[in-house]
Amino acid sequence: DAKTTQPTSMDCAEGRAANLPCNHSTISGNEYVYWYRQIHSQGPQYIIHGLKNNETNEMASLIITEDRKSSTLILPHATLRDTAVYYCIALDGGSQGNLIFGKGTKLSVKP
Amino acid sequence: GAVVSQHPSWVICKSGTSVKIECRSLDFQATTMFWYRQFPKQSLMLMATSNEGSKATYEQGVEKDKFLINHASLTLSTLTVTSAHPEDSSFYICSARRQASGNTIYFGEGSWLTVV
Repeated sequence: DAKTTQPTSMDCAEGRAANLPCNHSTISGNEYVYWYRQIHSQGPQYIIHGLKNNETNEMASLIITEDRKSSTLILPHATLRDTAVYYCIALDGGSQGNLIFGKGTKLSVKP
Repeated sequence: GAVVSQHPSWVICKSGTSVKIECRSLDFQATTMFWYRQFPKQSLMLMATSNEGSKATYEQGVEKDKFLINHASLTLSTLTVTSAHPEDSSFYICSARRQASGNTIYFGEGSWLTVV
C-alpha cells in the first residue's frame, strides 16, 4: 500500500473550516484514500474514504486531486470535539489488506 | 453507533496471569478482524490479522504464543495475553472489516490493560 505523508500538527479556530492535507504520490489505481481520527484514549473512528471523486458525508468532505497524488479532508465547521489525531491511509479496496497507521496530524481546535 | 465493540474497556491484572479481551462485530459478520497495540504517544501498531476459522497471521516480532488470538465465529475474535508482564501494559484495539460497507474497517473502543 502506498505511503502517505501528513503534517505533524495543525491548529484551527473553533467554527472555522479545518483543511487537513495528505500526500500519497505513489498511490496506485486500486487504492482508496481512507481517513480516520483518534480522539485521546479511544479507538480510531472512521470518517470517510474515496477513490477518485470527491466525497461528502455528515462528518466531512474529501477532496482528491485529479492526479490522485494528494487529498484534503475538510471539516466544515470545526468544534472543540474535533480535536484529535487524523490519519490518512491508502488501501487497496479490493484486497483483504489491513490499515497501517503513520503518525497522522494532530489537529487542535482552539476557542 | 458503534459497529465494533470491545470488552473489557479496561482491566488490571497481576503479573504472570492471563487476560482475555473480546472483540465483537455488531450486526455484521466479519471474516477478518485485526488486533493493534498502542503505547502512549505512539501510533497504532498492527499485531495480527484474525481470520475466522483459521490461524491468525502475526506481524513480525509479535509472539504468537504470548498473544493468543481466536476467531471462532464470524462476530467474535478474542485476544488472550498469556503470562502478562508489566511491559504488556498497553492500549489494545481491535477492528473488523465490514464487506457490506465497501470493505470499510471499523474499530472498537479499545481496551486498557495494566499489569501490576
